[in-house]
Amino acid sequence: QSALTQPASVSGSPGQSITISCTGTSSDIGSYNYVSWYQQHPGKAPKLMIYEVSNRPSGVSNRFSGSKSGNTASLTISGLQAEDEADYYCCSYTTIDTRVFGGGTKLTVL
Amino acid sequence: EVQLVESGGGLVQPGGSLRLSCAASGFTFSRDWMTWVRQATGKGLEWVANINQDGTKIYYVESVKGRFTISRDNARNSLYLQMNSLRAEDTAVYYCARDGVPAAQNYWGQGTLVTVSS
Repeated sequence: QSALTQPASVSGSPGQSITISCTGTSSDIGSYNYVSWYQQHPGKAPKLMIYEVSNRPSGVSNRFSGSKSGNTASLTISGLQAEDEADYYCCSYTTIDTRVFGGGTKLTVL
Repeated sequence: EVQLVESGGGLVQPGGSLRLSCAASGFTFSRDWMTWVRQATGKGLEWVANINQDGTKIYYVESVKGRFTISRDNARNSLYLQMNSLRAEDTAVYYCARDGVPAAQNYWGQGTLVTVSS
């Protein structure tokens, strides 16, 4: 099972919106609505931001939203804030009942 | 408050073994799937294995099959990862995580570092 494909880095200015893509295959993203997104600050454990493509856990800002089309999922962060600067990882359920992460995207807030 | 506390990491020689533990508290441990995820220094997250509520369903990433064994003790609120035949590429921080929502990990431990080196 190959890792999902994410851009290595994205950047945006405070207040702007950015979108991080996550491309998989028909063996993972394309087959299930079980895509999740995690935020990780340096030296910290990951934090769940989105699950089941577009659901936000309690306490996560509504500036974070998720979507999916075909084999590609996306995370959009609107109203970018300095504290959003972090690494972001997508993750998908697979047809062999495992999970697969993306390679990660470093978000820089300019 | 949900807490997941990993232990058991350390330095081990190639070919050696290590057993990681994860002590869970603040939720009904026996109701949730549990997962191990690892992260090599400076690298991305890698899903390692998961286990269902009663231990009857277990899945592994291909690279650890036959070498790692995930297990749980619901009476002790504990998750384990027995790692045998360790390789240099197994060097990573290992996180224990709770699957509190469908197919996702909504609580994570702080991680325990495993270093495989001679």
